[in-house]
Amino acid sequence: QVQLVQSGAEVKKPGASVKVSCKASGYTFTSYGISWVRQAPGQGLEWMGWISAYNGNTNYAQKLQGRVTMTTDTSTSTAYMELRSLRSDDTAVYYCARLVVGAIDYWGQGTLVTVSS
Amino acid sequence: QSALTQPASVSGSPGQSITISCTGTSSDVGSYNLVSWYQQHPGKAPKLMIYEGSKRPSGVSNRFSGSKSGNTASLTISGLQAEDEADYYCCSYAGSSSYVFGGGTKLNDL
Repeated sequence: QVQLVQSGAEVKKPGASVKVSCKASGYTFTSYGISWVRQAPGQGLEWMGWISAYNGNTNYAQKLQGRVTMTTDTSTSTAYMELRSLRSDDTAVYYCARLVVGAIDYWGQGTLVTVSS
Repeated sequence: QSALTQPASVSGSPGQSITISCTGTSSDVGSYNLVSWYQQHPGKAPKLMIYEGSKRPSGVSNRFSGSKSGNTASLTISGLQAEDEADYYCCSYAGSSSYVFGGGTKLNDL
């Protein structure tokens, strides 16, 4: 069965960076993209971007351009999302998810990132 | 891109039907048949309920259906059940390998 298992919760200070991992299993990793979606406390879902696990091509949401980097390690079927220059409004649950054409069909369990001084 | 527009909340009673709208623009919802809908219970990850506007993944009840007209997509839930009480989000492909979510709709009073 398809599973996406994310790394644990993080607490970071403003200005720091965070890197969240997402290990995939149960399918051919390089046949799908990985999307990252975040959800601030009590708020809606926000699409952050996606990466092709096949060739590493990426597309990031305009508001995060320059602060976010998505990568994959095909040898371990793991995707990574790094967010830099953290601010308090980056506090959110970060989800990785498998991207099919036009939809996200499997989600990780989420990783809470708290930015606080 | 701007978020797609959804009503903040809708109410229903067991057995009734409700429809949640999702309004975008000619650059997203109106241009592509790639609207998806997600159900999210508190503290849980979202679950795919509808993809490509009207298709249901395996295992999703046929009480859930999707449609689109112009720049507005809709999710209809018929025969409401208590477990349908959740937040619902629409999402559309917006071109150039980008996506945009709606603000979410809370279905309550079940």
